[in-house]
Amino acid sequence: GAGVSQSPSNKVTEKGKDVELRCDPISGHTALYWYRQRLGQGLEFLIYFQGNSAPDKSGLPSDRFSAERTGESVSTLTIQRTQQEDSAVYLCASSLSQGSGSPLHFGNGTRLTVT
Amino acid sequence: AQSVTQLDSQVPVFEEAPVELRCNYSSSVSVYLFWYVQYPNQGLQLLLKYLSGSTLVKGINGFEAEFNKSQTSFHLRKPSVHISDTAEYFCAVNSGGSNYKLTFGKGTLLTVNP
Repeated sequence: GAGVSQSPSNKVTEKGKDVELRCDPISGHTALYWYRQRLGQGLEFLIYFQGNSAPDKSGLPSDRFSAERTGESVSTLTIQRTQQEDSAVYLCASSLSQGSGSPLHFGNGTRLTVT
Repeated sequence: AQSVTQLDSQVPVFEEAPVELRCNYSSSVSVYLFWYVQYPNQGLQLLLKYLSGSTLVKGINGFEAEFNKSQTSFHLRKPSVHISDTAEYFCAVNSGGSNYKLTFGKGTLLTVNP
């Protein structure tokens, strides 16, 4: 079946502009995660959604970052007033449940470049 | 707090050679351990996982990993690599019974040369 879909695949923006990144999880997956991957670094947790529960936003690096999820479907990650340090690959993942053994299914990511 | 250390950022090997990618973790509680692989221009996919039971776990593409609690390690091995194994490999740990804050290492780039 279809995997996790992210759009756009690449985004180049000017410093100070707002950007919106989209994630379509696998149908039926109740859990959705956003990670950030900077060059040469591991994956940095940003935010987590589980069903209708309040999201865990503890990984968001600043108040310029926000994310929403509509029910158990699409999620958008918004970065306001982008800075050069926001340049990274933003990865979305979904899983069937919150269970610790449930593997994460990742999208191909959105490569964000802030000039 | 939990953390993951991947000791080698890059590992070059020749085709058909054995390989070991090292991973050490720290956690004050029981852990679940994972290896993910990211092929060029693709998303991450699960290679294998350890939840409980046998400490030797087998994954896709002939990879295996051994959980060593006393050494807090979860090294990934393959006896004979192929060109197609060239990818970035990430070790990850989850503790406390929650999947969502999976903590990843910085990754090891495995390059298989002919």
